[in-house]
Amino acid sequence: DGGITQSPKYLFRKEGQNVTLSCEQNLNHDAMYWYRQDPGQGLRLIYYSQIVNDFQKGDIAEGYSVSREKKESFPLTVTSAQKNPTAFYLCASTLTGIGATEAFFGQGTRLTVV
Amino acid sequence: AQTVTQSQPEMSVQEAETVTLSCTYDTSESDYYLFWYKQPPSRQMILVIRQEAYKQQNATENRFSVNFQKAAKSFSLKISDSQLGDAAMYFCAYRTRSGNTPLVFGKGTRLSVIA
Repeated sequence: DGGITQSPKYLFRKEGQNVTLSCEQNLNHDAMYWYRQDPGQGLRLIYYSQIVNDFQKGDIAEGYSVSREKKESFPLTVTSAQKNPTAFYLCASTLTGIGATEAFFGQGTRLTVV
Repeated sequence: AQTVTQSQPEMSVQEAETVTLSCTYDTSESDYYLFWYKQPPSRQMILVIRQEAYKQQNATENRFSVNFQKAAKSFSLKISDSQLGDAAMYFCAYRTRSGNTPLVFGKGTRLSVIA
């Protein structure tokens, strides 16, 4: 079955550590996205990529980094510069171009700083 | 920049009754898509319904229907015959029809269903 897989489901980070969240899709979608979800804040865009080896900052990119070396993969690194990383992170993918519509989502990763 | 506003942080409905969730948006585009997503306690995002702005007919999916008012930039979701399984966060979202931009989401409405 086609879909998006995020791992791990739960992740704990110590202060000062970098952590990487995995996102893999087999939908053959060109575009991939990372959203952060906090209570009462909805989904806020961190980074997105519409093609391999290219990505753009979203609304809250500070303290995060991404790479897009393969079409299927779009990992997100939460760096020590992110002051408040505890949140629920959602990865999504879409087709691109005229007529491309909804986003498909992974199951999410809950990151907690300990 | 496009924005999506959901003015009701929380709503409740009696089982078997009807409830309407509100959404307004701001855009200068004429062609776009609007969506309602459901996020149950599992936190998996599920597409409920999609509306193409160039279609005048309101979209319907079983018990879910929308009231799309393009001039007013309003896109409400009506849930009929509410069921306990409808309890979730509901997010309104927007995307340009060019398909080259991310989806923009509202802050969500938490719907409770009372037995």
